[in-house]
Amino acid sequence: KQEVTQIPAALSVPEGENLVLNCSFTDSAIYNLQWFRQDPGKGLTSLLLIQSSQREQTSGRLNASLDKSSGRSTLYIAASQPGDSATYLCAVSQVSGNTPLVFGKGTRLSVIA
Amino acid sequence: EADIYQTPRYLVIGTGKKITLECSQTMGHDKMYWYQQDPGMELHLIHYSYGVNSTEKGDLSSESTVSRIRTEHFPLTLESARPSHTSQYLCASSEYTGDTQYFGPGTRLTVL
Repeated sequence: KQEVTQIPAALSVPEGENLVLNCSFTDSAIYNLQWFRQDPGKGLTSLLLIQSSQREQTSGRLNASLDKSSGRSTLYIAASQPGDSATYLCAVSQVSGNTPLVFGKGTRLSVIA
Repeated sequence: EADIYQTPRYLVIGTGKKITLECSQTMGHDKMYWYQQDPGMELHLIHYSYGVNSTEKGDLSSESTVSRIRTEHFPLTLESARPSHTSQYLCASSEYTGDTQYFGPGTRLTVL
């Protein structure tokens, strides 16, 4: 059964710092990996989607990498801002099984002004 | 911004009541999903649909039921609410399986 783990569970950084969020998954047979952002009490917003054949995707200050063989992905946030404070969720889309997406528990990020 | 809507946003209800959580999307997506999320915990898929008249159970057992009579509408029903059903329910849709999922704002349900 696919398991997705995110480390750390919570992170607090001063404004302006660059930071890395980690995601690992146990079954490398995936279609893609997605990073989402969730603000308190809200739904999820898709940030980046990396296909299994890709190594990385970039959007503005965000860069996500994927190493499928080792079951790892990272989300790099450059020059963090207080508005980046949210929970960041990693999810994998599996090749087999009846669960379209398997989510990690998320990393709760606080960027201090 | 994605065009997917959920109502109500918040619901407080007594034990034993029947409730229906509404989810609608205007993107014409065939794939729709319901997730349950407890505070600070991961999302668990409880139901999904790959098109009209198609519904499947997810990896988390749920006492709720769903229907998909129209492409744009995917309601979730609890016949008899219990305190253990207290949670946030998130609806999502995608164009195809494995594609980016677009989420609604969620319904926070409290059963007293």
